[in-house]
Amino acid sequence: DAKTTQPNSMESNEEEPVHLPCNHSTISGTDYIHWYRQLPSQGPEYVIHGLTSNVNNRMASLAIAEDRKSSTLILHRATLRDAAVYYCILIVTDSWGKLQFGAGTQVVVTP
Amino acid sequence: DAGVIQSPRHEVTEMGQEVTLRCKPISGHNSLFWYRQTMMRGLELLIYFNNNVPIDDSGMPEDRFSAKMPNASFSTLKIQPSEPRDSAVYFCASSPERGAPEQFFGPGTRLTVL
Repeated sequence: DAKTTQPNSMESNEEEPVHLPCNHSTISGTDYIHWYRQLPSQGPEYVIHGLTSNVNNRMASLAIAEDRKSSTLILHRATLRDAAVYYCILIVTDSWGKLQFGAGTQVVVTP
Repeated sequence: DAGVIQSPRHEVTEMGQEVTLRCKPISGHNSLFWYRQTMMRGLELLIYFNNNVPIDDSGMPEDRFSAKMPNASFSTLKIQPSEPRDSAVYFCASSPERGAPEQFFGPGTRLTVL
């Protein structure tokens, strides 16, 4: 399975944007890019996913590089509630959807 | 919708005892996953089911671990006998169908084996 690389931690001020990078240089053409987050003492929570085009939803935006070797999760206005570990995960198209979590990025939001 | 329900939320037991963790997936969801989270190993997939049938149990650490899904609304993860190294948070997740992009996680069961 293709691997992802994320920074261990990132810090942001409240109400400022947060850009979370993810490198996946060995991604294959059938891999979808998924993002999950885990708030303290909770189970992981789906954030967003994409294949080639940039994606937006109510939680975040996903910007995917043209060569698909990297992507960036964008939280447009960080709130204290966005403090969590964010995981970037690759899932093969038409697989069983199993998630292989890495270490993720710990996002700290300061007021 | 109540979401994925797990019980108990906390379990403390002694080494050698049998432990049973329970999960009720979201109604109508066909896929169910069991994960384990520890500080050392992070989040690991243990086993997953589709339409109540186990698809892949290669993540189950040892024969002491077993999982069942007798019907679409209930699954169990059993550890017998339990050991201190089994201490972890166990999460159950469900998704609407095979390969669906979003999995819905339960609140987890924190297991402590003394």
